[in-house]
Amino acid sequence: DAGVIQSPRHEVTEMGQEVTLRCKPISGHNSLFWYRQTMMRGLELLIYFNNNVPIDDSGMPEDRFSAKMPNASFSTLKIQPSEPRDSAVYFCASSSGQGNQPQHFGDGTRLSIL
Amino acid sequence: TQLLEQSPQFLSIQEGENLTVYCNSSSVFSSLQWYRQEPGEGPVLLVTVVTGGEVKKLKRLTFQFGDARKDSSLHITAAQPGDTGLYLCAGPKPNTGNQFYFGTGTSLTVIP
Repeated sequence: DAGVIQSPRHEVTEMGQEVTLRCKPISGHNSLFWYRQTMMRGLELLIYFNNNVPIDDSGMPEDRFSAKMPNASFSTLKIQPSEPRDSAVYFCASSSGQGNQPQHFGDGTRLSIL
Repeated sequence: TQLLEQSPQFLSIQEGENLTVYCNSSSVFSSLQWYRQEPGEGPVLLVTVVTGGEVKKLKRLTFQFGDARKDSSLHITAAQPGDTGLYLCAGPKPNTGNQFYFGTGTSLTVIP
């Protein structure tokens, strides 16, 4: 079975540009998570969707960040305008059910804002 | 403020050595998960510990959940270069279903 698929794997762009990260969760998983990972702050949860509905976006750093999940098989994380401090690895993860179900992570998007 | 503190932050050892890494919190967790993240990839679940005092073994890896369910340890026997990676512990966020707090991580390098 295919795992969580993220694109692009790498993105380098200039500050001020719009950045869109994409995620396809594992089929049948009803929960989707966007994380940001940096050396300084580790793995931080940005937003969590359940059944395509945003449940907790308290981790979204500011209004420049937005996320959508138009259907069960696709989600986007958008940064507009981007800033150098947004440089990080962004992960998407999905899981099924409740409790101790593992989160299945994609391989991430390494974002560099110049 | 990190809810889950991991130590050491970095560890570099020779192949064949034993090591233990720790995950500590002042909060009680109903369970803890351990993930390993290899360079250029996302974290992958290794194990979930649920009962206080529980010990689980996965080949050369031994996981223990503290009696008070506030801490956990991971012991690796005879480390191999393939064990190299970032080890993350994660605990469920209360009343959220399946959201997790992730620890600060231990970056392990096993030198051949």
